[in-house]
Amino acid sequence: NAGVTQTPKFRILKIGQSMTLQCTQDMNHNYMYWYRQDPGMGLKLIYYSVGAGITDKGEVPNGYNVSRSTTEDFPLRLELAAPSQTSVYFCASSKDPRNSNQPQHFGDGTRLSIL
Amino acid sequence: AQSVTQPDIHITVSEGASLELRCNYSYGATPYLFWYVQSPGQGLQLLLKYFSGDTLVQGIKGFEAEFKRSQSSFNLRKPSVHWSDAAEYFCAVGAPGNTPLVFGKGTRLSVIA
Repeated sequence: NAGVTQTPKFRILKIGQSMTLQCTQDMNHNYMYWYRQDPGMGLKLIYYSVGAGITDKGEVPNGYNVSRSTTEDFPLRLELAAPSQTSVYFCASSKDPRNSNQPQHFGDGTRLSIL
Repeated sequence: AQSVTQPDIHITVSEGASLELRCNYSYGATPYLFWYVQSPGQGLQLLLKYFSGDTLVQGIKGFEAEFKRSQSSFNLRKPSVHWSDAAEYFCAVGAPGNTPLVFGKGTRLSVIA
């Protein structure tokens, strides 16, 4: 079982460059999430999606964009990379949090450095 | 909106000693509560969850947690810690509806011989 797969695992960008972090899940989960994790700050929600074609902003959406054209994929786009976006990014999915016992399944993360 | 606090940033315990990690939440009704563990370089793995019913829940790897409504707490415990338990632990709170989980800032556990 692949679960949630994120690519790449590591990336270094220059300021102003753009890139897309890929996330795909094979569990047919409706809900998908992007978090960033900074030391001592825990996980902060960037964007989430409740199904194909529907996305919503989380706590820290500025500087990011997402799309959800299929159930499986939820890419995160950085248009103009800034040093403040240096972080570890986690993608997660869940079937339906309204159904009480649906924990989130996490990918292994993408470590991104902006120099 | 719900929120969660993990008061301890870093805890060090000796191998074989007992462990308790604290988690306090804020939510008007009965929340959904989770504990996750993150090993270095890895994503988060679910240890256990509470939704309703028995307030003492058992999880994987010998962990348990107790929901105490009067104290708004969901502390994680393990009777005997192993070196492999060294990791970062996150408490999370959820609520009915579409709202995503809210995570605490984490507690880093170190295990010494």
